[in-house]
Amino acid sequence: AQRVTQPEKLLSVFKGAPVELKCNYSYSGSPELFWYVQYSRQRLQLLLRHISRESIKGFTADLNKGETSFHLKKPFAQEEDSAMYYCALITGGGNKLTFGTGTQLKVEL
Amino acid sequence: DGGITQSPKYLFRKEGQNVTLSCEQNLNHDAMYWYRQDPGQGLRLIYYSQIVNDFQKGDIAEGYSVSREKKESFPLTVTSAQKNPTAFYLCASRDRATDEQFFGPGTRLTVL
Repeated sequence: AQRVTQPEKLLSVFKGAPVELKCNYSYSGSPELFWYVQYSRQRLQLLLRHISRESIKGFTADLNKGETSFHLKKPFAQEEDSAMYYCALITGGGNKLTFGTGTQLKVEL
Repeated sequence: DGGITQSPKYLFRKEGQNVTLSCEQNLNHDAMYWYRQDPGQGLRLIYYSQIVNDFQKGDIAEGYSVSREKKESFPLTVTSAQKNPTAFYLCASRDRATDEQFFGPGTRLTVL
């Protein structure tokens, strides 16, 4: 069965430090993965998707099929990066998203 | 600010009562979704609909019901059979071209 694992509930880093939010998945098909972000008092929104291979707000994520991972990285954390981050996997032939449990990122000054 | 709207923002109900949460979208998306968001559990899929007059159960459909009579609307009813209904409920629609899901602001339901 498909599954998305985010092992860290809370990640606290200092401003300017590197950030890595971990995401591992299990899926028998060809995976398509997303990172969604929820800032305080804002809606859940798409941050980036692996097929576009783009950098959004300084964040990147590389799909590693060998390690079944899709970790989210940023070299220098900013205070405005503080938010809840969810990793998600497309399932059901593209019709559904399976979400991880989320990681709360806190960037401290 | 169009897109997806949910109402009400906060909802209180007594045990044993059914309650309906509203979700409307003006994005012309065929697919719509209902999730439940609980601390430490992420988003869990309740029901989804790929097209008008059709819907499927998600992972935690027990105690919930939906209808999809119009493309723009996908209301969720939380019935008295739902054992633990107090939660934050999120509605979303999907852009078929990109598979991106767009989320509403959510409804926080509290059962007293």
